[in-house]
Amino acid sequence: DIVMTQSPDSLAVSLGERATVNCKSSQSVLYSSNNKNYLSWYQQKPGQPPKLLIYWASTRESGVPDRFSGSGSGTDFTLTISSLQAEDVAVYYCQQYYSTPLTFGGGTKVEIK
Amino acid sequence: QITLKESGPTLVKPTQTLTLTCTFSGFSLSTSGVGVGWIRQPPGKALEWLALVYWDDDKRYSPSLKSRLTITKDTSKNQVVLTMTNMDPVDTATYYCAHRHGVTSLDYWGQGTLVTVSS
Repeated sequence: DIVMTQSPDSLAVSLGERATVNCKSSQSVLYSSNNKNYLSWYQQKPGQPPKLLIYWASTRESGVPDRFSGSGSGTDFTLTISSLQAEDVAVYYCQQYYSTPLTFGGGTKVEIK
Repeated sequence: QITLKESGPTLVKPTQTLTLTCTFSGFSLSTSGVGVGWIRQPPGKALEWLALVYWDDDKRYSPSLKSRLTITKDTSKNQVVLTMTNMDPVDTATYYCAHRHGVTSLDYWGQGTLVTVSS
């Protein structure tokens, strides 16, 4: 199984400031034949299902604000919220879909400082 | 517009079998590449993938739960059913179903259903 490890577990950021969430996979999720990273980011607000934000490590899902961006390749990935808004308070999860079992990180809780 | 909705019991007793149904619309499970998966989330904890079934009836399971899980599809009813045997209080969680097309992310999710395991 590919183990996904997120850091930090939680972070508090002032409104308008940058928030950075890290995700590391125990093996590469870069598929060499198409040069794509099989890595997604999800946002989950209290009482709601996860919402897909980013796939292929850096492609924003339709309708996702451009303050959200994903980067990284191979085993190390980052989700950045460039200017934190109140509505961004949530838990963020990374997930690999390179192979089954699909695996998720432990989540990072983002709060307002 | 793709929607999914989970249904099933809210309370099961230890050792019982859980049967959950995912009813969906906006896509067909007979379309090449389409899959529906189940994911669960214990209260206050992280997401855990359980199983997937694809349009061609290919089925994948979490290795740690494989002996307890069965996933089936009914294309004519637009439903996917997950059964989990020998339920235990640690299986208390919100159970979600989600759509997938090809080897991609889980892009559409149901609202989830909370299942409590208690005597």
